[in-house]
Amino acid sequence: NAGVTQTPKFRVLKTGQSMTLLCAQDMNHEYMYWYRQDPGMGLRLIHYSVGEGTTAKGEVPDGYNVSRLKKQNFLLGLESAAPSQTSVYFCATTGSSYNEQFFGPGTRLTVL
Amino acid sequence: QQPVQSPQAVILREGEDAVINCSSSKALYSVHWYRQKHGEAPVFLMILLKGGEQKGHEKISASFNEKKQQSSLYLTASQLSYSGTYFCGTGSRSGSARQLTFGSGTQLTVLP
Repeated sequence: NAGVTQTPKFRVLKTGQSMTLLCAQDMNHEYMYWYRQDPGMGLRLIHYSVGEGTTAKGEVPDGYNVSRLKKQNFLLGLESAAPSQTSVYFCATTGSSYNEQFFGPGTRLTVL
Repeated sequence: QQPVQSPQAVILREGEDAVINCSSSKALYSVHWYRQKHGEAPVFLMILLKGGEQKGHEKISASFNEKKQQSSLYLTASQLSYSGTYFCGTGSRSGSARQLTFGSGTQLTVLP
């Protein structure tokens, strides 16, 4: 079992470009999350999903969109990247009643 | 609102003990603790639920004071492998989204 995987691991974009980050899980979890992590800021929730076909805004959703067309995949899109979106992005999933979250390895994104 | 962690950083010698605190201004249903090593994803350590239920690793202990909306993580007889950044994540029972709000982290360094 791969657990939670993220694609790509690293990416460099120019301001205004678009991209999609993919999170895939084989744990059959209902809940999936996208976080961003900036130095000294901890993890901040961007968007989340409570099941296939559902999405909702988190703490810092502006500039991002998400889709959950299949239970195992959660996509994070940046339509027009800005330097302020330079960050490490983590995907996480949970399915247990204890809500422990399982994190993917992260995607390091730099916007020039 | 983001929970407040203290201290921000702590340096120990192997075998010494440490306490990391997490305090929230909101009523809490659960407190989660994660450890993150540099360049890696956060890893689950422990969950404490309102009512006293806990789930976590054998060598890690923690407390949850529901009235004070505080939690403390106790690291005893620290080992080199304990080094990393510790995050608390707090959950409230609003809706069913199982969202967590993370603190900004406590950097723990264990020296030989």
